[in-house]
Amino acid sequence: DIQMTQSPSSLSASVGDRVTISCRASHIMNNYLHWYQQKPGEPPKLLIYHGSRLQTGVPSRFSGSASGTDFTLTISSLHPDDFGTYYCQQSSSTPWTFGQGTKVE
Amino acid sequence: QVLLQQAGPDLVRPSQTLSLTCTVSSGSIISGSFYWSWIRQPAGGGLEYIGRVYTLGGTNYNPSLESRVTISLDSSKNQISLNLTSVTAADTATYYCAKGGGLLDSWGKGTRVTVSS
Repeated sequence: DIQMTQSPSSLSASVGDRVTISCRASHIMNNYLHWYQQKPGEPPKLLIYHGSRLQTGVPSRFSGSASGTDFTLTISSLHPDDFGTYYCQQSSSTPWTFGQGTKVE
Repeated sequence: QVLLQQAGPDLVRPSQTLSLTCTVSSGSIISGSFYWSWIRQPAGGGLEYIGRVYTLGGTNYNPSLESRVTISLDSSKNQISLNLTSVTAADTATYYCAKGGGLLDSWGKGTRVTVSS
C-alpha cells in the first residue's frame, strides 16, 4: 500500500493567513493525488484533483502542487469558511489511501 | 454533481451483516463508465477506502476487508449496495458512498453505524 503522510496534523491560523499543508507518499507515484476539505458532521468535499487541478466551484485561493513524492495544498489567504480538516488521497494504486488529516483551526 | 442518498441501520449486532444502500437520484448509475465507491470513517478518525464497483463490471476491495465485503449495483433501483459480514466493534464508523474512479467528486451524507450488542 502507498502510505500518505500529512503534515502538520493541526495548525492554528487566522483569517488572511497563507496556509500550506504537505502530503508525502511512501512510494513514487504519478499525480493521482487529490485534496479534500471536511467540516464536522459533513462528508469530504473535493478541492483539488490530479495534484493541481481545481475542482469546479472551488475558490481560486486553493491551489495544489507536486514535486516527486511530495504534494502541497496551499490556501493563499484563509477565509472564515476554510476552517476544517483537510485530507490528501492517492489513487495511483489500490487500495486508495488517505493521509491522516490536517486540522486547520 | 449527483445527489447520493444513503440508507441503512444505525445499529448492527456483532457477528451480523452490515447492509447499506446508496440511491442516486439524478441520472442512471450505469450510464457511462465510472466507479461508485464506499469509504468509512471512525468517530474522530481518518478516512478508509472500503472498495468500489465499476459500471461496466468489476469490483475492487481493500485487502484488509476483502474477505468480508461485497459492493454491488442494482440498476432497477438506481442503488449501490454495501454488505460487510461478521462485523465487530472495529467496524463502528460513518460510512459514505461516493462517485468517482480515483477522485471522489460527489459524496453521500454518510450513515453512522454502531456495532454493539
